[in-house]
Amino acid sequence: DTGVSQDPRHKITKRGQNVTFRCDPISEHNRLYWYRQTLGQGPEFLTYFQNEAQLEKSRLLSDRFSAERPKGSFSTLEIQRTEQGDSAMYLCASSPTGSNTEAFFGQGTRLTVV
Amino acid sequence: GENVEQHPSTLSVQEGDSAVIKCTYSDSASNYFPWYKQELGKRPQLIIDIRSNVGEKKDQRIAVTLNKTAKHFSLHITETQPEDSAVYFCAGSGTALIFGKGTTLSVSS
Repeated sequence: DTGVSQDPRHKITKRGQNVTFRCDPISEHNRLYWYRQTLGQGPEFLTYFQNEAQLEKSRLLSDRFSAERPKGSFSTLEIQRTEQGDSAMYLCASSPTGSNTEAFFGQGTRLTVV
Repeated sequence: GENVEQHPSTLSVQEGDSAVIKCTYSDSASNYFPWYKQELGKRPQLIIDIRSNVGEKKDQRIAVTLNKTAKHFSLHITETQPEDSAVYFCAGSGTALIFGKGTTLSVSS
């Protein structure tokens, strides 16, 4: 499968625990996005990378969230001290270059905080 | 940053009717406007997109129009079919790709 892949697909964690998600973009895609989606809502922008550089973070993003893309290939999203409100689908998307090309989405990681 | 508003939030049509979904955006620097379709339990997938140097684009039963002056763009689906039932998202892209909240389209036969 040469599409965007995310791991794990599902994660159940206790409140207060840290979780880390991984995204492998389509090979040679320079741009990588992270979104959060709750039921009935559109993908909410969290952050994006151009190669290894994190260029923008949502102003609404808590300091408990951090993302990395150390070699410009895969990316990780970490949530520290999880809260029940963090329960959502976390989507990763990649695009070849720039902001005016199609973004391809992964299947997402569904996080449930209990 | 960019803000994208989408209307309506739900839309019900009869098979064969047309459906129109409208979006407005705030960032005049945005130059790319894709539309995604998301079926239940699946990832969003691109159905059509338009760039700011074009006013209209059509692909079979789907068309998108863009009015840069008014900062709005619309998705038009003609001859709707039950398989068109899904959630549709518009997006605007200046730097980051920002999505609207979605429109749930229901096509009844």
